[in-house]
Amino acid sequence: AQTVTQSQPEMSVQEAETVTLSCTYDTSESDYYLFWYKQPPSRQMILVIRQEAYKQQNATENRFSVNFQKAAKSFSLKISDSQLGDAAMYFCAYRSAGGKGYKLSFGAGTTVTVRA
Amino acid sequence: KAGVTQTPRYLIKTRGQQVTLSCSPISGHRSVSWYQQTPGQGLQFLFEYFSETQRNKGNFPGRFSGRQFSNSRSEMNVSTLELGDSALYLCASSPWSGPRGTEAFFGQGTRLTVV
Repeated sequence: AQTVTQSQPEMSVQEAETVTLSCTYDTSESDYYLFWYKQPPSRQMILVIRQEAYKQQNATENRFSVNFQKAAKSFSLKISDSQLGDAAMYFCAYRSAGGKGYKLSFGAGTTVTVRA
Repeated sequence: KAGVTQTPRYLIKTRGQQVTLSCSPISGHRSVSWYQQTPGQGLQFLFEYFSETQRNKGNFPGRFSGRQFSNSRSEMNVSTLELGDSALYLCASSPWSGPRGTEAFFGQGTRLTVV
């Protein structure tokens, strides 16, 4: 079974500054996908960014970027130029590739607070 | 395109009763999965359906069941409700193929309270 660990329960960042959220995972598989989801107070889970394990290049989506270290099984999220709307709970998630169906394994989450 | 729709949004049930939650996926999405979110256990996978067949199942008791219809809409049923079943139940759909086939899109959830 795959386990996902987010060791930072809470992070606080000043508006316009940068914050990095940590995520590590444990798997014996070589092909998989990693995701960061954002859950604001509305509770709607929103996909922030995804990374395919076979791609060495780190994914980037506007102000969001990841640092994917496959050998270390690490997948951190960097939020640049933080905005008040970035305040939410962020979840790291793992999904096996191939024909194994769609099942996400989530970390415990990190609550991000943005200070004005 | 309309997003993933879950109904009802809020539900209060009494211990021992049963409940059915509904999820309508994004049009064209064939995979529907369900998750339970609680403060203590976090987000846990319940099961996934694809073309009316259960492909994956999480580690939940048999009181939790689901099904998927030919139009990909899915229902989840919990029988003999316990206080610990109080949670936010999230449904996610995935196209499974195409450029966004690896992604899951979530509904707003159903907040179930068992009293």
